[in-house]
Amino acid sequence: GENVEQHPSTLSVQEGDSAVIKCTYSDSASNYFPWYKQELGKRPQLIIDIRSNVGEKKDQRIAVTLNKTAKHFSLHITETQPEDSAVYFCAADGGSNYKLTFGKGTLLTVNP
Amino acid sequence: GAVVSQHPSWVICKSGTSVKIECRSLDFQATTMFWYRQFPKQSLMLMATSNEGSKATYEQGVEKDKFLINHASLTLSTLTVTSAHPEDSSFYICSASDGEDTQYFGPGTRLTVL
Repeated sequence: GENVEQHPSTLSVQEGDSAVIKCTYSDSASNYFPWYKQELGKRPQLIIDIRSNVGEKKDQRIAVTLNKTAKHFSLHITETQPEDSAVYFCAADGGSNYKLTFGKGTLLTVNP
Repeated sequence: GAVVSQHPSWVICKSGTSVKIECRSLDFQATTMFWYRQFPKQSLMLMATSNEGSKATYEQGVEKDKFLINHASLTLSTLTVTSAHPEDSSFYICSASDGEDTQYFGPGTRLTVL
């Protein structure tokens, strides 16, 4: 089955700096790679996703890049704000049945 | 759009009792629903995949007789934790898909078993 590795597990940045979270996956059949933001005690919220036919996608301060050859994808947050502080999860679909395998998460702290 | 609700948001029960959690898609038809469990400071672990009108598919290591899943309609799936024990205490989250790859998550149910 699919295996997703996520790094770093914690990330602390100053407000205004950029943050980068990286994930690798094992199943070359994976086609769908979402990123979720989860605040403490709340539901995971989809913030951006990318599919295998695209190498990069951007939505305002958030961007995701995908390298299918190397089987890794990354989340980039620019001009970070304190409200960006949360746990971020990457996931991959393993290519079938829309099941998602999640990374272990990254606790992002943006210091004012 | 794509709103998923869950009920109850939290529940406390005695060891040995059963607890039912409901997951509803409010504004779309969910052909597939997923049930996850999340322990504190850990990731989401998929328990089972539920398709309307058919039996759920459980992940390895998840006891199907303990975690009963029913997906009776395109907007409702239920998870029943039978004979709950303290080690079942966790955050249970459902998600729903409208047939595409995007999953929309419910707000979760915090279960505490005394």
